[in-house]
Amino acid sequence: GQQLNQSPQSMFIQEGEDVSMNCTSSSIFNTWLWYKQDPGEGPVLLIALYKAGELTSNGRLTAQFGITRKDSFLNISASIPSDVGIYFCAGQNSNNNNDMRFGAGTRLTVKP
Amino acid sequence: DVKVTQSSRYLVKRTGEKVFLECVQDMDHENMFWYRQDPGLGLRLIYFSYDVKMKEKGDIPEGYSVSREKKERFSLILESASTNQTSMYLCASSIAVTNYGYTFGSGTRLTVV
Repeated sequence: GQQLNQSPQSMFIQEGEDVSMNCTSSSIFNTWLWYKQDPGEGPVLLIALYKAGELTSNGRLTAQFGITRKDSFLNISASIPSDVGIYFCAGQNSNNNNDMRFGAGTRLTVKP
Repeated sequence: DVKVTQSSRYLVKRTGEKVFLECVQDMDHENMFWYRQDPGLGLRLIYFSYDVKMKEKGDIPEGYSVSREKKERFSLILESASTNQTSMYLCASSIAVTNYGYTFGSGTRLTVV
């Protein structure tokens, strides 16, 4: 299947710092999504992007759908300890909503 | 809110045992999925189902089977568990014909000894 390359694999940051992670694909997607997985839980949808060039915010989180449709990034501003977790990017093409591909995840650690 | 419930949070099974992982969703979603999550490999799709009694292989179906007898329930079956099936298993569901993302359960951490 299509491969999503997500980077970085892990990040160790100080509370209050900004964070940036990205995802690239060899193929285009019509939808990009970002999920967060808290320790011991399943992933939860943070942001969904449906249009090339779209920039969407959700509180301290901002995500963009790349113009080429082959990439997306997620920024977290002013990190706090509860931002700890694994962040996954995901891309989707069909309208059947059953072909989502996931990146390998970025593990974020925030030091108080 | 949609809820996806996985019957067990932790399971320990012996090599060769038949293992059933159960997943139930309460919002009438058409699609249901089973993923396994391993460090550095992200989420890999095992099987999915888009309707009752319908199933499709994902990327890593070997060693697994599934059952969907009712719309709300999707079961993952390990016919003969092996140690390389030790992993976190995540169930998800979604509405069909839309791009609103998937709703995940909390996961089942399976250890095969």
